[in-house]
Amino acid sequence: DAGVIQSPRHEVTEMGQEVTLRCKPISGHNSLFWYRQTMMRGLELLIYFNNNVPIDDSGMPEDRFSAKMPNASFSTLKIQPSEPRDSAVYFCASTRGAGGLEKLFFGSGTQLSVL
Amino acid sequence: GQQLNQSPQSMFIQEGEDVSMNCTSSSIFNTWLWYKQDPGEGPVLLIALYKAGELTSNGRLTAQFGITRKDSFLNISASIPSDVGIYFCAGQKARGSRLTFGEGTQLTVNP
Repeated sequence: DAGVIQSPRHEVTEMGQEVTLRCKPISGHNSLFWYRQTMMRGLELLIYFNNNVPIDDSGMPEDRFSAKMPNASFSTLKIQPSEPRDSAVYFCASTRGAGGLEKLFFGSGTQLSVL
Repeated sequence: GQQLNQSPQSMFIQEGEDVSMNCTSSSIFNTWLWYKQDPGEGPVLLIALYKAGELTSNGRLTAQFGITRKDSFLNISASIPSDVGIYFCAGQKARGSRLTFGEGTQLTVNP
């Protein structure tokens, strides 16, 4: 079975540009998570969805960040406008069921560099 | 806020050696997990622990859920080069709640 698929793997952009990160969760998984990883702050949960509905977005840094899950097989994380401090690796993860949120399956991540 | 402290931050060992790392918290977690992240990839779940005192093995890996529910330990026996990576502990307060991740232990294994 295919794992969690993220695109692009790498993104280099200039400050002020809009960035869209994409994620396809594992088929049959109904919970989806967006994490950000930096050296300074480690792995931070940005937002998670259950059955396509945002459940907890308290980790979203600010209004420049938005996430959507229009259907069970696709989610996007958008940063507009991007800033250099947004440079990080962004991971998408999915899992099955609302009660098993600890068994996360992570994608390979998107390495974002904002110049 | 909640914080998990992992130690050591990094380890440099020779192939064949055993490895021990731990994770501590000032608050109680009811589930402890250990993930491994290979370079350029996302974390992968290694072991999940659900009961205080539980000892669980996965091949050469053994993890324990501390009696106080405020700590967990991971041991790797007879390390091999592919054990290289970052090992993260994670805690969960209640079933269905978000995970709190530690800062990670970077493991380097010299052949």
